Amino acid sequence: GAVVSQHPSWVICKSGTSVKIECRSLDFQATTMFWYRQFPKQSLMLMATSNEGSKATYEQGVEKDKFLINHASLTLSTLTVTSAHPEDSSFYICSTPGQGYNEQFFGPGTRLTVL
Amino acid sequence: AQKVTQAQTEISVVEKEDVTLDCVYETRDTTYYLFWYKQPPSGELVFLIRRNSFDEQNEISGRYSWNFQKSTSSFNFTITASQVVDSAVYFCALSENNQGGKLIFGQGTELSVKP
Repeated sequence: GAVVSQHPSWVICKSGTSVKIECRSLDFQATTMFWYRQFPKQSLMLMATSNEGSKATYEQGVEKDKFLINHASLTLSTLTVTSAHPEDSSFYICSTPGQGYNEQFFGPGTRLTVL
Repeated sequence: AQKVTQAQTEISVVEKEDVTLDCVYETRDTTYYLFWYKQPPSGELVFLIRRNSFDEQNEISGRYSWNFQKSTSSFNFTITASQVVDSAVYFCALSENNQGGKLIFGQGTELSVKP
């Protein structure tokens, strides 16, 4: 299966700053990348779907101007949390579907803490 | 609408006991995929199994077994002779064929295996 990496694995930032999370597909051309968010003790919720070379599709309730997604190449998708606030503290995980969409390759996740 | 329900929020067992994690799903699609993932404290999702909607055969992998019953829309997971290393949060997830691979996760079941 595909190998997906995320960077950074954890980040602590001050309220009001922006944080960029990178998701790389190391051995697979990821035309689609999903971004999930997981609050403590909760499930994973899909935030948005990014497709290489086009605008991301956001799930209901997710602010597209706050969570900027860029998928400029087949191996890299980025999520930027702009003007982060403590309520944005969460575990962010990316994944890309395999061919046929019946399998998923997850990144190891990024734990964001906003002070 | 698609939905995954894991009614058991937390389960605690003593080592060597058998334990079953329940998963009930809802979908209008006739072609779909069901998954189980393990999430240890590190956060990284560990893939356990994928089942498509046309394959109702039960599966056994070592101490793990899965029971898929379309008649009751359930995909239950049993760990036989549980071990302390099985302690984690387990997620059941659904992917519909026409949704491009995105996953709908259940709420998760936190399993604690005590020595």
